[in-house]
Formats: sequence, structure tokens, C-alpha cells
Amino acid sequence: QSVLTQPPSVSGTPGQRVTISCSGSSSNIGSNYVYWYQQLPGTAPKLLICRSDERLSGVPDRFSGSKSGTSASLAINGLRSEDEADYYCAAWDDGLSGSVLFGGGTKLTVL
Amino acid sequence: EVQLVESGGGLVKPGGSLRLSCAASGFTFSTYDMNWVRQVPGKGLEWVSSISSGSHHIYYADSVRGRFTISRDNAKNSLYLQMNSLRAEDTAVYYCARAGGDFVDHRYWGQGTLVTVSS
Repeated sequence: QSVLTQPPSVSGTPGQRVTISCSGSSSNIGSNYVYWYQQLPGTAPKLLICRSDERLSGVPDRFSGSKSGTSASLAINGLRSEDEADYYCAAWDDGLSGSVLFGGGTKLTVL
Repeated sequence: EVQLVESGGGLVKPGGSLRLSCAASGFTFSTYDMNWVRQVPGKGLEWVSSISSGSHHIYYADSVRGRFTISRDNAKNSLYLQMNSLRAEDTAVYYCARAGGDFVDHRYWGQGTLVTVSS
């Protein structure tokens, strides 16, 4: 069971805006950066957003990340069919021994 | 071009051992932190372990601590994961990933290697 909580699925139609939430706690999202990954079927994950809101080079500006308190969000504007994928948030957790946490993942369906 | 190529996966019986390798190229391996992440087919991502560039800092997920050992050989541009006392729940695709700014920043990924633990 993931300590970072994401909705299992979200959906939208082409051109719409969708958001994917990621809820954590003070020991992870509350005190560290959040990262967002996209995983297309049959491929390795791809880093989209680093340090909570920095888009990696080559990532369309339709993708944006934000963080507030112990929650974070990934927003996708102007939804396109090729955005259909699984999305994961991740953060460092300042627990006893330190660890990387991934959210459970959100399946984005473009209707 | 950054390339990460995992090897060493396969079928192993419960209680058995396996050693995964990750061959790195296209960057100065000795200056980057590295990670192992696994994924049960059809399920989500699970972080397994991280090692700093000079091997001074090592972290493990609770699910593998005491059974798995991460290591690296900077002279050989290689990352390793020694997996002992394997369980059925360790069955997954194992990815090696190169870190960017910190251990959560998995900037580059290999193609993964499948480990199946079954009798």
C-alpha cells in the first residue's frame, strides 16, 4: 500500500484539462520535492516533472506540476490521445532510514 | 546517449538467489547516484534501493532490507543488485535508473529485466 495516494483512474476528452492528485504527509511531500512520471504501455517510465514544478526538457508545456502543503498535482491541458498512460508521483520520505515513495499510479484514459 | 542495460533476470525458486547487473554508458557513471525500481507486471512502481555515486549512502525499501544488496563498480560502469532469500512477491520487472538531482529523480531508465520467483 502506497503512502502517496493517487486516484486509480481519471479520464477526459481531447482538448480538456485533467488533473491528477497525489496526497502524502509532512515527512514526504510536506518537506520534499515531488516528481511525476509517465509510463506508456510496454515502456519504461519517463520523468516529466522534477522538483515539484519543473518540466523536463522536451516535455510539452501542456504538462505542469504544483505542490501545496502535503499534496501535489499534475495538470494536463489540451488533452491529447497520446497522453493516455499511467502517471506516478514520487517523493523522498524522511522516515527513520529514508526512502523513495511512489504513488500507486493513475491510469489516464482519453475518451 | 545515456544507455542502461539490465541483465541477470530469470526464473528462480523461492529461497534462491539472483544477481542483477546494469551496464551504464554515455555518461560519467562514477558521478551519478543510481537506483533500482521494480514493477510487478500490470501493477505500480516500487522503489527498491538507491546508492550514491561513491557508495557512501545506501538505502533500501523495507520489503527488501536484509535480503537484497545494492553495489556498484565505478571502474566497470556497472550497478548490481544481489537478491537473496527470494520470495514469490519479488517477482517483477527490475529497472535500473540513473538519478538526476537526487534519489527520487530517476532521469534515465533501462529497459528492465524480469525476475520470476516460482517453484
